[in-house]
Order: sequence, then structure tokens, then C-alpha cells
Amino acid sequence: SQKIEQNSEALNIQEGKTATLTCNYTNYSPAYLQWYRQDPGRGPVFLLLIRENEKEKRKERLKVTFDTTLKQSLFHITASQPADSATYLCALGQGGADGLTFGKGTHLIIQP
Amino acid sequence: SAVISQKPSRDICQRGTSLTIQCQVDSQVTMMFWYRQQPGQSLTLIATANQGSEATYESGFVIDKFPISRPNLTFSTLTVSNMSPEDSSIYLCSVAQGVGYTFGSGTRLTVV
Repeated sequence: SQKIEQNSEALNIQEGKTATLTCNYTNYSPAYLQWYRQDPGRGPVFLLLIRENEKEKRKERLKVTFDTTLKQSLFHITASQPADSATYLCALGQGGADGLTFGKGTHLIIQP
Repeated sequence: SAVISQKPSRDICQRGTSLTIQCQVDSQVTMMFWYRQQPGQSLTLIATANQGSEATYESGFVIDKFPISRPNLTFSTLTVSNMSPEDSSIYLCSVAQGVGYTFGSGTRLTVV
């Protein structure tokens, strides 16, 4: 069965450092991979999408890489800030008519 | 991007009863998706609702337990029927947005 693993349940990073979150998957060939941010009591908020034929995507302080051979995506937040503290979810999908398959998420804490 | 209004935001229900969750989108969308997020678990897709046809349920979810209505292109409901404490969870609706998905803020259901 399809399985998505995010590297750790919680990650503590010092403010100003780069936070790196990992998403690994098995038994899946996604057309794309997405990253979401979820704050307590809120629904997930879309951050970035990377397609199977793309290696890297950037958006402001965010960078996502996608290695379909390793079946892994890395999500980086550079110059991290306490406001970046949240749970980050990776999700795999095949197309707009299909829903997403999510990992459990990594709870990121940026300490001042 | 679309804005989704989901209600109720939370509820406490007696076992054996049913709860209907509503999602209103501020634009017309073809597909609406319903997810469940159990404590400490990933978001799991329950079903996909397409206007004018029966919802498509994922493995492990059945229409008798989670009936869905989709009367028009901006509205959908999910009913959690004959509830038990195991149904205590957060339920979210979602729509595809071209790139990424938009989620409602979720309904936190506690069954006692």
C-alpha cells in the first residue's frame, strides 16, 4: 500500500537557521508532490507544488526538491523565523480530479 | 483562490446520533473532497463529491456511514452517521485550485 513518511514528528531549529524537512514515499508514482502548512485549529494552507519532471522549486524563503529515484522530497525554510513554527505536511497527487495522499506532518518549532 | 466556509467549527455529539457538516465555496468548482484527520494521524481522503453524480468513496469508507450531498457547484455536505467515539476527529473539505488545494478550516467532532 502507499506510504508517506515525514522525517520526524517534531523538529526544533534556532531562529535564523535553515530548517530541512524530509518526505519519503513508497509504492507510489505521483505526478506531483505538494507541501502544506497547518496551524492549530486551521485547515492546511498550500505552499508549493513540484512536478515529477522538476528537480527544484523556490518561493521566497522556501525551497523544495524532488528526487523520484530516491522517492524523496526535501523542504527547506531559510532564515527561519518563530512565525514559521507550524506543522508542515507533504502530499502526493495524480491530478486535479483526485484527492491527495498526505504524510502525518512534521511539527516545526523555531526558537528565538 | 477560493474561500471555503465550513461549519460547524466544532461539536460534541452523543453516540448513535448523526452530524451534518457543511462547506460553502465562494466560486463554482467541479470536485469537492472530504478528508478526516484523526489525532496524531495524517489527513485521509474519505470521498470525492462531483455535482450531479454519486460521490466516490475511498477504501474503508462507505456511503451509509458518510453520506454526501452535492446539490450545486458551490456547496456540499458530509454527514457522519450513527456516531461512535472512534469517529472523533477533524473533518475537512477541500477544492482543487489549479495549483494546490484550498481547505476549509475544519470541523472538530467529539463523540461522547
